[in-house]
Amino acid sequence: SQQGEEDPQALSIQEGENATMNCSYKTSINNLQWYRQNSGRGLVHLILIRSNEREKHSGRLRVTLDTSKKSSSLLITASRAADTASYFCATGRLNQAGTALIFGKGTTLSVSS
Amino acid sequence: ETGVTQSPTHLIKTRGQQVTLRCSSQSGHNTVSWYQQALGQGPQFIFQYYREEENGRGNFPPRFSGLQFPNYSSELNVNALELDDSALYLCASSLRAPGTNYGYTFGSGTRLTVV
Repeated sequence: SQQGEEDPQALSIQEGENATMNCSYKTSINNLQWYRQNSGRGLVHLILIRSNEREKHSGRLRVTLDTSKKSSSLLITASRAADTASYFCATGRLNQAGTALIFGKGTTLSVSS
Repeated sequence: ETGVTQSPTHLIKTRGQQVTLRCSSQSGHNTVSWYQQALGQGPQFIFQYYREEENGRGNFPPRFSGLQFPNYSSELNVNALELDDSALYLCASSLRAPGTNYGYTFGSGTRLTVV
């Protein structure tokens, strides 16, 4: 079963525009991570935000986390064609044997020039 | 690109056969996890190994098994292949122990097709 759900499922924008993707999850978490996947290849870790953090930045990426609403958002500013990919949120839980990342179904982002 | 190497990249097997997928992690990465990603879906957790012992398992039947070796390589074995096993299989490793706030490094995956 999948923990998170990304919204929207697909997003098409022009280069230079901002892209916002949302993620909702169901159970308590200790961290939430965002990954990018190009054309069905391996996933690339983008950013991790701990449950006691509300916002985190990395380059053109901004992630927010609202644990009361069990939701997170990923903002990519000034999008480029190279940002075209699928983006997944994944929740991690600590203090459990075999901590696993639980992924959502992803948002497919298409950036056209 | 990522320091985690998976082989083979593509594989076609017949229903009922057995398959072994391999993963070579970065030196020092004691934690390795395997995921199954069906087309159009997010990755699903199969199991995790830490220091050569299974450290947790997802909702997969026993015909999915694994091994982790001292040289930071690991294997995923699937017996009695079914058509629904067709998917991208991803290996992910981490320098940190399970349960830490740390991201994973993923390999490029093995695309398995069962016919």
